[in-house]
Amino acid sequence: SYVLTQPPSVSVAPGETARVTCGGDDIGVKSVHWYQQKPGQSPTLVIFYDSTRRPGVPERLSGSNSGNTATLTISRVEAGDEADYYCQIWDTSNDQWVFGGGTKLTVL
Amino acid sequence: EVQLVESGGGLVQPGGSLRLSCAASGFTFRSFWMHWVRQVPGKGLVWVARISGDGTWTYYADSVRGRFTISRDNAESTVFLQMSGLRAEDTAIYYCARDDSPSLPYWGHGTLVTV
Repeated sequence: SYVLTQPPSVSVAPGETARVTCGGDDIGVKSVHWYQQKPGQSPTLVIFYDSTRRPGVPERLSGSNSGNTATLTISRVEAGDEADYYCQIWDTSNDQWVFGGGTKLTVL
Repeated sequence: EVQLVESGGGLVQPGGSLRLSCAASGFTFRSFWMHWVRQVPGKGLVWVARISGDGTWTYYADSVRGRFTISRDNAESTVFLQMSGLRAEDTAIYYCARDDSPSLPYWGHGTLVTV
């Protein structure tokens, strides 16, 4: 089955740029979607189809996908961005929906 | 406004059964596939199952296939997850989510199952 690999944690100072990666075999040919989950809350879709922001999501959040890595980039990080972030793909070869293990973003 | 409200979670003994429900509103329920996704508290998201709009097609994660059954009642706008042969490792928060393939833009608040 398809595996998505994320770093367990990323730390960044306020105002800096955070990059959360999502690795997978030739992931660049797949559509990758990103969810943000704050403590005690349900996941929220923030980026879909690699780089499309959901309405209401700040332009500071952006996505890219190429080769074996998809990346969620958060520019000018704010304290409110502190959350867990998950990547997700739909593995159509066997109709399995796959999530990465999640990355905890800490704002220092 | 799309709303998904799960219920039915609770404490169950290993080997036992439980049926979760997810009541949907704010959209044409029968037009959408629906999912169950679970999360061990403090851990990551794990996809569990998916069902087509008319209930004809179902897909499962390997970890639950043969033990869990996803179904739906379109007249009641509700999706179910029948869980049997429960194990300690099934302990998790169970979320239902609407399928806007290939992503899941709408999630419920979740219901906790403890085995």
